[in-house]
Amino acid sequence: KQEVTQIPAALSVPEGENLVLNCSFTDSAIYNLQWFRQDPGKGLTSLLLIQSSQREQTSGRLNASLDKSSGRSTLYIAASQPGDSATYLCAVKKSNTGKLIFGQGTTLQVKP
Amino acid sequence: NAGVTQTPKFQVLKTGQSMTLQCAQDMNHNSMYWYRQDPGMGLRLIYYSASEGTTDKGEVPNGYNVSRLNKREFSLRLESAAPSQTSVYFCASSESQPNEQYFGPGTRLTVT
Repeated sequence: KQEVTQIPAALSVPEGENLVLNCSFTDSAIYNLQWFRQDPGKGLTSLLLIQSSQREQTSGRLNASLDKSSGRSTLYIAASQPGDSATYLCAVKKSNTGKLIFGQGTTLQVKP
Repeated sequence: NAGVTQTPKFQVLKTGQSMTLQCAQDMNHNSMYWYRQDPGMGLRLIYYSASEGTTDKGEVPNGYNVSRLNKREFSLRLESAAPSQTSVYFCASSESQPNEQYFGPGTRLTVT
């Protein structure tokens, strides 16, 4: 059974710092991996999608990498800003049938 | 382009009452999903519909029914609400490729 773990559960950094959020999964046979952002009381916003054949994806200050063999993905946030404060969730899909398995999330606080 | 919309945003039910949560998407996606999010449990898939006319159980289907009314709409019904169904419910949709899921804003349900 696929399990997704995100460590740490919470992270607090000063504004301007570069940071890395971690996601690990137990079954390396994945179809894709998706990173989401969730603001308090809101829905999930898709940040980046990495297909199983890809090693990384970039969007603005965000860069996500995927290493299937080690069962890991990282989300790199450059030059963090207070507006980046949110919970970040990663989720993996085993096949194209659509079942996403989510991690518990990392709650990020960026202090001004 | 509203994306994924959900109604209602908030609902309070008494034990044993029934209700239907509505979801609609305007992105012409084939697949739609219902998740629940609970503290400490993360996001879990209740039901999904890979295409119009099909529905399948997810991880936690007990106590729920779904209807894929047409390509745009996917509803979730609680026939006899229980306090254990107090949760935040999210609807999502995706296209087969690249299979990136987009989420609605959620419905916050309390069962007393």
